[in-house]
Amino acid sequence: SSELTQDPAVSVALGQTVRITCQGDSLRSYYASWYQQKPGQAPVLVIYGKNNRPSGIPDRFSGSSSGNTASLTITGAQAEDEADYYCNSRDSSGNRWVFGGGTKLTVL
Amino acid sequence: EVQLVESGGGLVKPGGSLRLSCAASGFTFSSYSMNWVRQAPGKGLEWVSSISSSSSYIYYADSVKGRFTISRDNAKNSLYLQMNSLRAEDTAVYYCARDRQWLVNIYFDYWGQGTLVTVSS
Repeated sequence: SSELTQDPAVSVALGQTVRITCQGDSLRSYYASWYQQKPGQAPVLVIYGKNNRPSGIPDRFSGSSSGNTASLTITGAQAEDEADYYCNSRDSSGNRWVFGGGTKLTVL
Repeated sequence: EVQLVESGGGLVKPGGSLRLSCAASGFTFSSYSMNWVRQAPGKGLEWVSSISSSSSYIYYADSVKGRFTISRDNAKNSLYLQMNSLRAEDTAVYYCARDRQWLVNIYFDYWGQGTLVTVSS
């Protein structure tokens, strides 16, 4: 079982704002990172650290954290944002990595 | 440009072995920890193993410990995963990924395109 918990599915109307959450004890010690994965493609890092976007990631993607919960927010969701989103952090040992179960985002 | 290219996947019978490779380019390979992450068909991402830059620290997921061995050759800019005693549940796309860590900031910044391993009789 994953030590990071995500909602399996979330939907958002085109142009609206959606928040995807990730819960886990390790998030009290580390910032979560977030990955977007489209069908047949490798995951892509979209948010890391407190709220950092790699080059090329649109500024509609943002991250936040409070206690044991990390959030990925998409402000003004676009059709191309429809994808699976995974959070990631260390496990309770601090030596190994763990992914959340993933959230399938549907843009209506 | 950072590139990670996996190879070595294929069809193997249960109990068999396979060796995956990941060729890295576009960065100083010997300065970074590297990882293998897998994804079973229709399932989520699962971290498999990590190796530090000098191979001093190696960790495995419980699901593969004792069966898989991660290694690297910094002179060849290559990462490897030796997979033994393969099971049907090891069927997945295997990605190599570079990780970054400083203080509380931890993440995988580059991923390969993956190589498919199918374990079936």
